[in-house]
Amino acid sequence: AQSVTQPDIHITVSEGASLELRCNYSYGATPYLFWYVQSPGQGLQLLLKYFSGDTLVQGIKGFEAEFKRSQSSFNLRKPSVHWSDAAEYFCAVAGNTDKLIFGTGTRLQVFP
Amino acid sequence: DTAVSQTPKYLVTQMGNDKSIKCEQNLGHDTMYWYKQDSKKFLKIMFSYNNKELIINETVPNRFSPKSPDKAHLNLHINSLELGDSAVYFCASSQGGGETQYFGPGTRLLVL
Repeated sequence: AQSVTQPDIHITVSEGASLELRCNYSYGATPYLFWYVQSPGQGLQLLLKYFSGDTLVQGIKGFEAEFKRSQSSFNLRKPSVHWSDAAEYFCAVAGNTDKLIFGTGTRLQVFP
Repeated sequence: DTAVSQTPKYLVTQMGNDKSIKCEQNLGHDTMYWYKQDSKKFLKIMFSYNNKELIINETVPNRFSPKSPDKAHLNLHINSLELGDSAVYFCASSQGGGETQYFGPGTRLLVL
């Protein structure tokens, strides 16, 4: 069965510091992988996605993620965090059933 | 020019009532979805429709009945509301086949 694990429930970083949010997935074939961001009281916005090809994908707002098949991971990174990046981040996988399976989310807090 | 819109944004009601949430997308997508986000922010798919046909029904109580009058609309009717139905309900749409899903702003339902 498909599943997504986000090991970090809550991460706190200082503004300007680098960021890495972890995501591990379980899926039998090559998955479609996504990162979404949810600001407080808002809907979900797509940051980036991986379907195939280059394993390092670039997204909006300066985010990138790397697909590592050997580790079943799709970690999200940003070299320098801004205060406006404080939000909830969700990793998700979609397989051939066309439904998104979400991780439990990581709440990012940014200190000035 | 909102891509995926939902009404209402907030819904407060009493236990036992019946309520509906409406969703519309202007992206020309064939597939639409309903997701539920609980108080712990966990997101889980409820239903998906492709071109007005039910594709996914994730063992949701039959008090929940989706209806798709056309491929641009997917409404969610809930009968006999219970306290546990309190959540944020998100509508989404995509071209299907694992393609990116675009989310609406959510409907915050509170059952008293």
